[in-house]
Amino acid sequence: DTEVTQTPKHLVMGMTNKKSLKCEQHMGHRAMYWYKQKAKKPPELMFVYSYEKLSINESVPSRFSPECPNSSLLNLHLHALQPEDSALYLCASSQEGDTQYFGPGTRLTVL
Amino acid sequence: GESVGLHLPTLSVQEGDNSIINCAYSNSASDYFIWYKQESGKGPQFIIDIRSNMDKRQGQRVTVLLNKTVKHLSLQIAATQPGDSAVYFCAEEGAGGGNKLTFGTGTQLKVEL
Repeated sequence: DTEVTQTPKHLVMGMTNKKSLKCEQHMGHRAMYWYKQKAKKPPELMFVYSYEKLSINESVPSRFSPECPNSSLLNLHLHALQPEDSALYLCASSQEGDTQYFGPGTRLTVL
Repeated sequence: GESVGLHLPTLSVQEGDNSIINCAYSNSASDYFIWYKQESGKGPQFIIDIRSNMDKRQGQRVTVLLNKTVKHLSLQIAATQPGDSAVYFCAEEGAGGGNKLTFGTGTQLKVEL
């Protein structure tokens, strides 16, 4: 099983809203990732968690706040986003140094 | 700096023909390479990977070739089918690990009936 699940599939929010994206995997992977993908562009790494600790933050604005409650779950808390933050947000997981498996993504629209 | 790029943004092939998608990388220290397929509205799907101690790896209808001398990676798809239509990304991970992938710009593969 190489499934990574993400909820919700679609999200529309205003610039003053607070929302959260959720990601789950049950493959026993100890690394989890958030990526942002704009249309017709490759995924861009945002955050990496390794063994439930934040190991990489690619200079992401503080209006994006990641959280890793346990080894199977990864959240991305959103607050005061801008319209340019509208994108597909992808979660991935892997064993250390091994293949990353992606979820289906959350399509976010910020009005 | 590091870069992973593709030579062609769009590739059109006839159904049944073989497809070759190319990728250049600039970090000679990279030691792990992956090809992903991304269909419209979906997340990237793992196709095949290769480590730097190999120069060829075969899967079901797909082959990845790695030429470290010229820092070139290619994905060959045999007997291309309409279901192969998608954007294909190469990605590399540096020798230092850190779980950090760098993606290429992507190639749109269109299969014509």
